Amino acid sequence: TQLLEQSPQFLSIQEGENLTVYCNSSSVFSSLQWYRQEPGEGPVLLVTVVTGGEVKKLKRLTFQFGDARKDSSLHITAAQPGDTGLYLCAGSFVSSGSARQLTFGSGTQLTVLP
Amino acid sequence: DAGVIQSPRHEVTEMGQEVTLRCKPISGHDYLFWYRQTMMRGLELLIYFNNNVPIDDSGMPEDRFSAKMPNASFSTLKIQPSEPRDSAVYFCASISGEGENEQFFGPGTRLTVL
Repeated sequence: TQLLEQSPQFLSIQEGENLTVYCNSSSVFSSLQWYRQEPGEGPVLLVTVVTGGEVKKLKRLTFQFGDARKDSSLHITAAQPGDTGLYLCAGSFVSSGSARQLTFGSGTQLTVLP
Repeated sequence: DAGVIQSPRHEVTEMGQEVTLRCKPISGHDYLFWYRQTMMRGLELLIYFNNNVPIDDSGMPEDRFSAKMPNASFSTLKIQPSEPRDSAVYFCASISGEGENEQFFGPGTRLTVL
């Protein structure tokens, strides 16, 4: 069973601060995705990373994929209250029977206070 | 497109009753996934289908759970008999068989078993 460890589990910060969320596994990902979920809704895809060492930016969000494709990070610059939500990483593993099957991390609940 | 549609949005039932959750995937999507989300265990994959055929049901908790996909536009997840520990939010998601592996989630069904 492939496991995805996400940290921290909870994060409460003031508006304007920076933060980083981490996602780690002992297995190699064929691809990794980050989703954001708001209360009462399903997760929504933010980004997909595929290549080791890849960096993608989405406005104030920066996503990195580790060189060995076993870890990833999400960095938010100058957080805003609108960034509040549950951030989930999800990996498709090389050893998995299907590239379409995702394993989700436990999530990071981010609260940005005004 | 209306996105993934799930019904009901909320379900409250008593222990021992049968519960049926419904999902309509996005038209043209080849894969359909059922997930369960709880605070303790996060987002867990229960079962997924490809072209209406169940591919992996190893996440189904026990024989009380069953899922069907009689056609490309409809799937059900049934719990019989239901137990209080089944209380959770159940999500359905669908993806296209081509391109980026973005899972489109429905709004979820919040199930409470008393």
